[in-house]
Amino acid sequence: GENVEQHPSTLSVQEGDSAVIKCTYSDSASNYFPWYKQELGKRPQLIIDIRSNVGEKKDQRIAVTLNKTAKHFSLHITETQPEDSAVYFCAADLGGGSEKLVFGKGTKLTVNP
Amino acid sequence: NAGVTQTPKFQVLKTGQSMTLQCAQDMNHNSMYWYRQDPGMGLRLIYYSASEGTTDKGEVPNGYNVSRLNKREFSLRLESAAPSQTSVYFCASSTQGGNQPQHFGDGTRLSIL
Repeated sequence: GENVEQHPSTLSVQEGDSAVIKCTYSDSASNYFPWYKQELGKRPQLIIDIRSNVGEKKDQRIAVTLNKTAKHFSLHITETQPEDSAVYFCAADLGGGSEKLVFGKGTKLTVNP
Repeated sequence: NAGVTQTPKFQVLKTGQSMTLQCAQDMNHNSMYWYRQDPGMGLRLIYYSASEGTTDKGEVPNGYNVSRLNKREFSLRLESAAPSQTSVYFCASSTQGGNQPQHFGDGTRLSIL
């Protein structure tokens, strides 16, 4: 079955720097790759997603890139702010139109003022 | 528009007790999910329902049962709770079909002594 690896598990950056989180997946049939942000004690919230027919997607300071050949995708946050501090999860679907997602284990991002 | 509502928010059980976690959504979504979140493990799918009356196992279904009685509601039942089921449980919903964002509830924090 699908396996999603996420790195790093923790990331500390200075305010204004960029942060990059990387995920690899195992099932070449996967087509949908969302990213969720979870603040302490809160629900996971979708921040951006990408589908396999697109190589890159951007939304203000957040961007996601996808390399289907290498089976990896990355989250890029530019001009980080303290409110970006949270745990970020990547996920991949099981392919074939499946609605099931497999999540990575998360990256705890700390943005130091 | 409340989104996805979970009850209760917190619960403490003794080993062997039974419990039903409730989830309701008002977004007219067909698909609903139950996840558990443990420290360092990300989100793992317990059960999934594509529509009223249908359910399917996820990664970690053992020890759980689910009921999808109508389009809005999807419940998760622990018949005989075990300490290993201590976790935070999240319900989510999405529109039908693959490649769709999942919207999460606030979670139920369950401790089993």
